[in-house]
Amino acid sequence: AQTVTQSQPEMSVQEAETVTLSCTYDTSESDYYLFWYKQPPSRQMILVIRQEAYKQQNATENRFSVNFQKAAKSFSLKISDSQLGDAAMYFCASPQNNNDMRFGAGTRLTVKP
Amino acid sequence: DVKVTQSSRYLVKRTGEKVFLECVQDMDHENMFWYRQDPGLGLRLIYFSYDVKMKEKGDIPEGYSVSREKKERFSLILESASTNQTSMYLCASSLGTANTEAFFGQGTRLTVV
Repeated sequence: AQTVTQSQPEMSVQEAETVTLSCTYDTSESDYYLFWYKQPPSRQMILVIRQEAYKQQNATENRFSVNFQKAAKSFSLKISDSQLGDAAMYFCASPQNNNDMRFGAGTRLTVKP
Repeated sequence: DVKVTQSSRYLVKRTGEKVFLECVQDMDHENMFWYRQDPGLGLRLIYFSYDVKMKEKGDIPEGYSVSREKKERFSLILESASTNQTSMYLCASSLGTANTEAFFGQGTRLTVV
């Protein structure tokens, strides 16, 4: 069963502009983390940002921030001042059980110069 | 830096062959995962292991098996490769529960002809 939903298969943004990628999830965990990963054309998946569900404050990492709505089980990623190097597939991930991680279908982000 | 190494970046095998995909991590992580990545479907969990000789089925275990004889190594086995197993395979490892960051290998693109 799909537990992580990314409803935008593709998004595009102009360089230096802001873009928001959407994610909704479902988990039975009461205390959990949520993740956004980036997969550039090199295929090496890397962590972009992590949110602790029990923290009300949204996580930020430089130009990347999240909008976490726990009641709505929504976890969107905002990229500010987009750069050409941000072009990649972005995957949202949440734990299903204590030990395994589930991913969404991904959003392909294109950055236009 | 954590390193997760997959034995092959590209692999071509014939239908019916037994295929081994190897993954090694160097950070003493308890958890190791095998995912399959297909366009539009994101990452789907095949199997994961939370300890040596322990394994759990993910969402799509059919046609696959795994082996974890040593903590650092997690092998994915295609018992009899079929063309519908042509895909990108990603190995990952993490420390402790699914609430910790997963580190990924560079992926193996398997083609079954």
